[in-house]
Amino acid sequence: DAEITQSPRHKITETGRQVTLACHQTWNHNNMFWYRQDLGHGLRLIHYSYGVQDTNKGEVSDGYSVSRSNTEDLPLTLESAASSQTSVYFCASSEAGGTQFFGPGTRLTVL
Amino acid sequence: AQSVTQLDSQVPVFEEAPVELRCNYSSSVSVYLFWYVQYPNQGLQLLLKYLSGSTLVESINGFEAEFNKSQTSFHLRKPSVHISDTAEYFCALNKLVFGAGTILRVKS
Repeated sequence: DAEITQSPRHKITETGRQVTLACHQTWNHNNMFWYRQDLGHGLRLIHYSYGVQDTNKGEVSDGYSVSRSNTEDLPLTLESAASSQTSVYFCASSEAGGTQFFGPGTRLTVL
Repeated sequence: AQSVTQLDSQVPVFEEAPVELRCNYSSSVSVYLFWYVQYPNQGLQLLLKYLSGSTLVESINGFEAEFNKSQTSFHLRKPSVHISDTAEYFCALNKLVFGAGTILRVKS
């Protein structure tokens, strides 16, 4: 069955370190999204991509970057982790106009 | 600019009572509206969506939502809730903007 996976599921890191969160989908969807979820804020869009080599900034993109070298993967990189980036991160994918499928989430703690 | 406002952060309700979770939106472009449900320690699952056509949309588990363009609303309703409906519900606009969420607590 097609699915969307995220790794790691839990990560603890120190401020200033570079961290990469992986997202892999086997739906062959063109659209992929990264969100962070914080209490009282719901989900906020970090970056999104509508296809290979396409990336776009979302509402809270500062301090994050993504690259899309193939259809299946959209890794999220925190260039220099900050305590304010402690959050739960969700990846999602969809076809244009189609249902969005979410991964299980990555809980990131920055100490 | 686009925005979504969920007017209630928590809604407590007794089992078998009706419930309405409110969602208002603002957008200068075409709107596609979604409701998602999130159970503890899980990702989001699509509950229902409005893309076009009939303004009343239904889910398979008894929820419904009505798109109201004049009031810029997309409220979620269920006539009789179950304990298992306890979860957090998110309204979303065009897949890019999410509301802050409403926690539905169903009490016995």
